[in-house]
Amino acid sequence: EIVLTQSPGTLSLSPGERATLSCRASQNIGSAFLGWYQQKPGQAPRLLIYGASTRATGIPDRFSGSGSGTDFTLTITRLEPEDFAVYYCQQYDGSPSWTFGQGTKVEIK
Amino acid sequence: QVQLQESGPGLVKPSETLSLTCSVSGDSISSGGYYWSWIRQYPGKGLEWIGYISYRGSTYSNPSLKGRVTISSYMSMNQFSLKLRSVTAADTAVYFCARRGSGLDYWGQGTLVTVSS
Repeated sequence: EIVLTQSPGTLSLSPGERATLSCRASQNIGSAFLGWYQQKPGQAPRLLIYGASTRATGIPDRFSGSGSGTDFTLTITRLEPEDFAVYYCQQYDGSPSWTFGQGTKVEIK
Repeated sequence: QVQLQESGPGLVKPSETLSLTCSVSGDSISSGGYYWSWIRQYPGKGLEWIGYISYRGSTYSNPSLKGRVTISSYMSMNQFSLKLRSVTAADTAVYFCARRGSGLDYWGQGTLVTVSS
């Protein structure tokens, strides 16, 4: 099973600051099937990024994804108040299992 | 616009079978290229992938669930379902259905299922 490890567990930042979230895979997963999701309390997760670096429909360009192989990054260039949430990475190739990272909470400092 | 909606009992007794249905609108579950998925989230915790059924009808579930999972599709109703057998309190969670296109791009709102006598 592919394990995804996210870091840090919690990120305390102020609006306007830059957030950098990491996701590390236990084995090479390429880049085609790595996604990032945002989840707010009481809501379903929302797809932000797929294929490691492609923004989903309607996602602002302050969100960007990068990486391949085992190391992936989600960057939020300037945090808006609505960006404080929990973020998950997920691999959805898995041949055939899929897995999620444990999440990174971005909280207001 | 694609929409998914979970339905089913909110309370299940230990050792019984949890049964949920996901109703899909705005897309056909027989459309090429998509995987129709179940994911759950323990209260206050992270996400766990349960399994999927493909547009071709092939299924796969999380090995950690030790064969307790059955996922089926009902093309005429444009629905797919989840059955989780022999539940315990550890299966109490919010259950989501979702479509995997490029990523899990559409989700249901989720339904809380509590396992308790």
